[in-house]
Amino acid sequence: GEDVEQSLFLSVREGDSSVINCTYTDSSSTYLYWYKQEPGAGLQLLTYIFSNMDMKQDQRLTVLLNKKDKHLSLRIADTQTGDSAIYFCAERGAHGSSNTGKLIFGQGTTLQVKP
Amino acid sequence: KAGVTQTPRYLIKTRGQQVTLSCSPISGHRSVSWYQQTPGQGLQFLFEYFSETQRNKGNFPGRFSGRQFSNSRSEMNVSTLELGDSALYLCASSFGGYTDSPLHFGNGTRLTVT
Repeated sequence: GEDVEQSLFLSVREGDSSVINCTYTDSSSTYLYWYKQEPGAGLQLLTYIFSNMDMKQDQRLTVLLNKKDKHLSLRIADTQTGDSAIYFCAERGAHGSSNTGKLIFGQGTTLQVKP
Repeated sequence: KAGVTQTPRYLIKTRGQQVTLSCSPISGHRSVSWYQQTPGQGLQFLFEYFSETQRNKGNFPGRFSGRQFSNSRSEMNVSTLELGDSALYLCASSFGGYTDSPLHFGNGTRLTVT
């Protein structure tokens, strides 16, 4: 079935790089997403990658996709205290086409950035 | 461009009551999806509406229902509230057409059932 797994917690020093990992089970996923959630807020779309891509870079964010291992990672360069939040990995639902509104989310990784 | 707007931000209800949550999507977006977020279950998909029709449904009881209006605004209703319905309810919108369009989320409605 559909399942997305993430580690629950990551702590880094300000200025270091952060790498948040995610594994998924649905090989038919077309798009994979990273969202950020700050306390008391909704989900902010950070970036997303199409399944036929290996890498996508967007300013301080780099997404790597290993489709063979169904592994996705988000690298944040020069991590700042403002990056402290929960990060969610998500894939499109297996039963829908790429344009449906059903996402399967991981449990979220809490990123703690120490000054 | 205005983002996804959810109202109200907070709600406190009593067991057995019903509640209606509202969502206004980003202008031009025709798909609206609803999610429930709880500490125990995480983010779970409730349902999706596109052009006033329910297009997808998650594994929630029939007490959870929704609808979409011709202007794409959507409402979600929960009847006979239970304590376990306490959660953050998030709405997301996208174009929903044949090309992929990422989901953009609102800030949610925090529902507390006492």
